[in-house]
Amino acid sequence: NAGVMQNPRHLVRRRGQEARLRCSPMKGHSHVYWYRQLPEEGLKFMVYLQKENIIDESGMPKERFSAEFPKEGPSILRIQQVVRGDSAAYFCASSPLQGPSNEQFFGPGTRLTVL
Amino acid sequence: KNEVEQSPQNLTAQEGEFITINCSYSVGISALHWLQQHPGGGIVSLFMLSSGKKKHGRLIATINIQEKHSSLHITASHPRDSAVYICAPRTGAAGNKLTFGGGTRVLVKP
Repeated sequence: NAGVMQNPRHLVRRRGQEARLRCSPMKGHSHVYWYRQLPEEGLKFMVYLQKENIIDESGMPKERFSAEFPKEGPSILRIQQVVRGDSAAYFCASSPLQGPSNEQFFGPGTRLTVL
Repeated sequence: KNEVEQSPQNLTAQEGEFITINCSYSVGISALHWLQQHPGGGIVSLFMLSSGKKKHGRLIATINIQEKHSSLHITASHPRDSAVYICAPRTGAAGNKLTFGGGTRVLVKP
């Protein structure tokens, strides 16, 4: 059973370009969480999705950021018109069910560098 | 005051020593993760616990939900234990997201 997969592992973009980060949850998991770790800072929650639904996006910046988890395929975190401040490690996690008793399993992260 | 406080922020130990990391939090319901992150690396969930104590190899985690406090212990520490350890209580309306402590950077010297 493969773990949570993220790709690409490293992504370099120039200011103004778009970044697409992909997350494939563990088999059987239908809940996906995205977290961001800015350089020298702690992890912060961004968004929680179930298949075809955004459940909690309270941590998402209001502009330029969007996330989806379609019925088929990976979850996508999309950042439009990237700026240098978007440079960070983006981690996704998945769980089989919702609720505090269901452990979240993390992917290896995507490290985004904006030039 | 941060919602999740870890202490110490940094810790240096000699190989073989017993290590304790503490976590106090003012948010969260029911459960808490302890995570491990190596420099430049990914995140590994060491434990998720909602009561009492869990043990995995040389690692032991305890939690007191009423007092909102958890500890992570490493027995017989080894240089490969050098990493950042992060406490993350489950938060949100249904405990679906994690709020993270700032991490404890552990260095175990041979």
